[in-house]
Amino acid sequence: AQKVTQAQTEISVVEKEDVTLDCVYETRDTTYYLFWYKQPPSGELVFLIRRNSFDEQNEISGRYSWNFQKSTSSFNFTITASQVVDSAVYFCALSEAQTGGKLIFGQGTELSVKP
Amino acid sequence: ETGVTQTPRHLVMGMTNKKSLKCEQHLGHNAMYWYKQSAKKPLELMFVYNFKEQTENNSVPSRFSPECPNSSHLFLHLHTLQPEDSALYLCASSPLGGVSGNTIYFGEGSWLTVV
Repeated sequence: AQKVTQAQTEISVVEKEDVTLDCVYETRDTTYYLFWYKQPPSGELVFLIRRNSFDEQNEISGRYSWNFQKSTSSFNFTITASQVVDSAVYFCALSEAQTGGKLIFGQGTELSVKP
Repeated sequence: ETGVTQTPRHLVMGMTNKKSLKCEQHLGHNAMYWYKQSAKKPLELMFVYNFKEQTENNSVPSRFSPECPNSSHLFLHLHTLQPEDSALYLCASSPLGGVSGNTIYFGEGSWLTVV
């Protein structure tokens, strides 16, 4: 069965610290996609990244980076030099070919960056 | 500026009221979705529309009635709701429904309180 686990419910850091948000997934499908979304207090889920199961290259976008490891079924997200504006709830999600693209979300990690 | 807009952003309604949530997407997508986000729970998919046709109803109670007049607009009609229906209702769209790997874009959500 498909499942996404974000074991960290809440994380609190001080500005400029690096922080890693963990995401572990379960799937029997060989073709799948992984996503990260950011949800600020306003409520909107903001799309951050999509990776497919055949591309294990890590990705960097500014202060954001993602580490995809199929061997451990993990897709972790690191924010370097965190800022107060990074405070939000972050969701990891899984979409499988066999289930018609439905997004399965993790429980979310609430990140609080203090000045 | 988000490509998916929702109105109203906040709604308080009594259990006997009838109200509607509106969603409009400006992304040229063909699939639209309603998600429910309750406190301390993962996002729940409610309905999926693909080219105006409903393709998924995730066992949603009939007091929630969706309507999709065209690929750009989606409504959620609310009638005789319960206090436990209080939640953030998120509309979303994607290029196609039922296809793995489609990135789903979300609106800012409508915060609903049932009193």
